[in-house]
Parts: sequence; C-alpha cells; structure tokens
Amino acid sequence: GNSVTQMEGPVTLSEEAFLTINCTYTATGYPSLFWYVQYPGEGLQLLLKATKADDKGSNKGFEATYRKETTSFHLEKGSVQVSDSAVYFCALRALTNQAGTALIFGKGTTLSVSS
Amino acid sequence: NAGVTQTPKFQVLKTGQSMTLQCAQDMNHEYMSWYRQDPGMGLRLIHYSVGAGITDQGEVPNGYNVSRSTTEDFPLRLLSAAPSQTSVYFCASSLLRTGLIYGYTFGSGTRLTVV
Repeated sequence: GNSVTQMEGPVTLSEEAFLTINCTYTATGYPSLFWYVQYPGEGLQLLLKATKADDKGSNKGFEATYRKETTSFHLEKGSVQVSDSAVYFCALRALTNQAGTALIFGKGTTLSVSS
Repeated sequence: NAGVTQTPKFQVLKTGQSMTLQCAQDMNHEYMSWYRQDPGMGLRLIHYSVGAGITDQGEVPNGYNVSRSTTEDFPLRLLSAAPSQTSVYFCASSLLRTGLIYGYTFGSGTRLTVV
C-alpha cells in the first residue's frame, strides 16, 4: 500500500541555519507529493507540491524535489527563521481508476528555531 | 473568506454522550474528509466522501458516522463518546477531476476532550 515516512523530530535549529527534513514514500503508480505546515493551534496549510518526477516545488524559501529514483521528497530551506517553527507534514496522493484517493500523511516533524 | 469552516473549535464531552462536529465548505469541492490528529500518530483518515450521497470508511472509522446530503456539508457524528476519541479533528476538502490530483484545504480543527 501507499505510505510516507519522514524523519523523527523534534528538529532544533538556530536562526539562519540550513534545514533538511527527510521524506520517503512508497506508492503504486505516480503519486503527487506535498508538504504541509501546521503552526501552533492552527490547521494544516499547503506549503508546496510536485506532481511528477524531477519537479521542484518551492514556496517561502522552502524547496523540495520529487526524486522518483530514490522515492524521496526532502524539504530544504537555506536559512530558517524563528517564524518557521511549526510541524511539517509530508504527504502523497495517488491516482487510481477512480477520480481520486485520500491524502496519506507522514507522522510530522516538529521544527523549533531559536534566535 | 472562502474555505473550510469547522464548528465548534473546542468541546468537552462526558463518556457516552453523543455530538456532531460540523464541517462546511464553499468552494464546490466534491471530495471531503475527516482526520484525527494524535501525538506521534500524524493524521489518520476517519471517513471520506467523493460527492453528495457517497461516503466511505478510512483507516479509523469505528465509533464515528458520517453523511453527505449536500456538496457543502460533511458532519461527523460521535454516537457514544469514549476517552479514546479525545483528539483534534480536522475536516479537509478538495476538487476531484479524473486524471488530476489536488491538495487539500483544511479547516482550523476541533479539539475534543472526552472525560
């Protein structure tokens, strides 16, 4: 079946440090891949997405590249800010014979950035 | 603002009580779903719907009922609340188009405590 595995947290960084959060997936067919962010006390917001191999999604300084050969979609940011402190979820959604399927999430990685 | 609206934001129930969590969206999204979020477990799918009159079970459906009488609304019913249902509940919706994959729009969540 389809699944997403992301690195365990929490991840603790100083401001301006480089961030990588690893995400790998297992899926049949050609899924689309997503990163969602959840700020304290809020719902999930779409951060970026990629729909096919070698696509790079980017938003707010975050980037992730869809790597089919390694089944990975690692999230990176060159210089984190305190305001980036949140929980980050990697997710996939696969296409089937039906019109669509559920979004499958990793367990989330908590990022804490200190000044 | 357009989006997914969940009510209530907070609720405390006694064991055995029943209640309905409300979810409404105004984006004409065909797909709607309910997730629960628990520490260390990520988001787990409870029920989903691909259109009015059509619902199906997700990963953790026991103890919950849903119905979809309109495109806009997708209420989640707890028939007899148990402490194990203490969680944060999120409603999410998306478009459905054959051959395309969309991400979700999330509501802000309902924090439920069962005592």
